Amino acid sequence: GQNIDQPTEMTATEGAIVQINCTYQTSGFNGLFWYQQHAGEAPTFLSYNVLDGLEEKGRFSSFLSRSKGYSYLLLKELQMKDSASYLCAPQDSNYQLIWGAGTKLIIKP
Amino acid sequence: GAVVSQHPSWVICKSGTSVKIECRSLDFQATTMFWYRQFPKQSLMLMATSNEGSKATYEQGVEKDKFLINHASLTLSTLTVTSAHPEDSSFYICSASGSAEGGNEQFFGPGTRLTVL
Repeated sequence: GQNIDQPTEMTATEGAIVQINCTYQTSGFNGLFWYQQHAGEAPTFLSYNVLDGLEEKGRFSSFLSRSKGYSYLLLKELQMKDSASYLCAPQDSNYQLIWGAGTKLIIKP
Repeated sequence: GAVVSQHPSWVICKSGTSVKIECRSLDFQATTMFWYRQFPKQSLMLMATSNEGSKATYEQGVEKDKFLINHASLTLSTLTVTSAHPEDSSFYICSASGSAEGGNEQFFGPGTRLTVL
């Protein structure tokens, strides 16, 4: 079967760094996306990894290990506006995104 | 980045009526459009995938006669919820993927919140 495993909820402090881990199992693999979703809004694209390694984009970085079925999203210099759900979504052999419930990130001052 | 719009952003209707939701890709040609539904505090659930000019492919458990999808052009797909009932109340989100920037990335619309009374 196909499944995604992410922590349900995480809490971090403004200005700090947080790492959100994701393990996945899919039928085939065509890359992995991270999306941010604020309550009541649609997801917005953060990053895409298809090769092993780290992709850095400003305060956000995403890492992928295909052999381990593992990815993480690293958020630096946390701001209050980063409070949201973070969705790890691998893409299977049919290019369909596989969605989990996401990780709700709570930022405290 | 690519922009996808949805209309309306929210709708309230009476039970038994039909509601049409439009999804448009504004600055790229969307060869594939996806329709999702999301209940509160739950993950996105893919309802169907549609390619321009062909019939939509529905996920298991999604009634194709109730959720009518039309993808008549490379920039427009519509989802019609027929004979809506209160249990159809949800957040409906479309996404689009095309040959433009991002490769296989899906660009999401802002979503449509449907409330059926």
